[in-house]
Amino acid sequence: AQSVTQPDIHITVSEGASLELRCNYSYGATPYLFWYVQSPGQGLQLLLKYFSGDTLVQGIKGFEAEFKRSQSSFNLRKPSVHWSDAAEYFCAVGEDSGGGADGLTFGKGTHLIIQP
Amino acid sequence: DSGVTQTPKHLITATGQRVTLRCSPRSGDLSVYWYQQSLDQGLQFLIQYYNGEERAKGNILERFSAQQFPDLHSELNLSSLELGDSALYFCASSVEQSPPDTQYFGPGTRLTVL
Repeated sequence: AQSVTQPDIHITVSEGASLELRCNYSYGATPYLFWYVQSPGQGLQLLLKYFSGDTLVQGIKGFEAEFKRSQSSFNLRKPSVHWSDAAEYFCAVGEDSGGGADGLTFGKGTHLIIQP
Repeated sequence: DSGVTQTPKHLITATGQRVTLRCSPRSGDLSVYWYQQSLDQGLQFLIQYYNGEERAKGNILERFSAQQFPDLHSELNLSSLELGDSALYFCASSVEQSPPDTQYFGPGTRLTVL
């Protein structure tokens, strides 16, 4: 069965420091990969996605992610975090199994805390 | 603002009751997905509709059902509610019915069952 692992439940980063959030997936077919962000009391906002092509993808708010098939990873990075980046971050995977669409499979999320 | 709207924003009800959550997809999107977000289970896919027809089912309980209407809005019906059904329920929409598709999420409906 497909699964998504976000190993870090909480991460604390100082404002201005770099950030990397980890995501590993287990999939049998071609995965489609997403990162979403959820601020307190808000819905999920799409940060970026990978379908095919260049394995380094750029997203909104200065985020980027790199797809590494050999490591089954899709880690999210940002060179310099801002206090407004404090939120819950979710990695998600969709799959083309040939049988049509299914919903996304989400990781448990990583709670990002920004220290002043 | 994703363009997906959900009503109501909050819902408080009692065990055994039935509620209906409503979702309007982004203009032009034909697919609607429902997800449940709870503290213990995380974000789970419940069900997908495409242009009025059910396309995929996830971890949806038999007490739950959904439909998509000709104007493409969707409703999620939750019946015989239990305490454990308290959660955030999200609707998402996309243009396609098959991957790869990008799902845009609504703000959610917070359901509290007392």
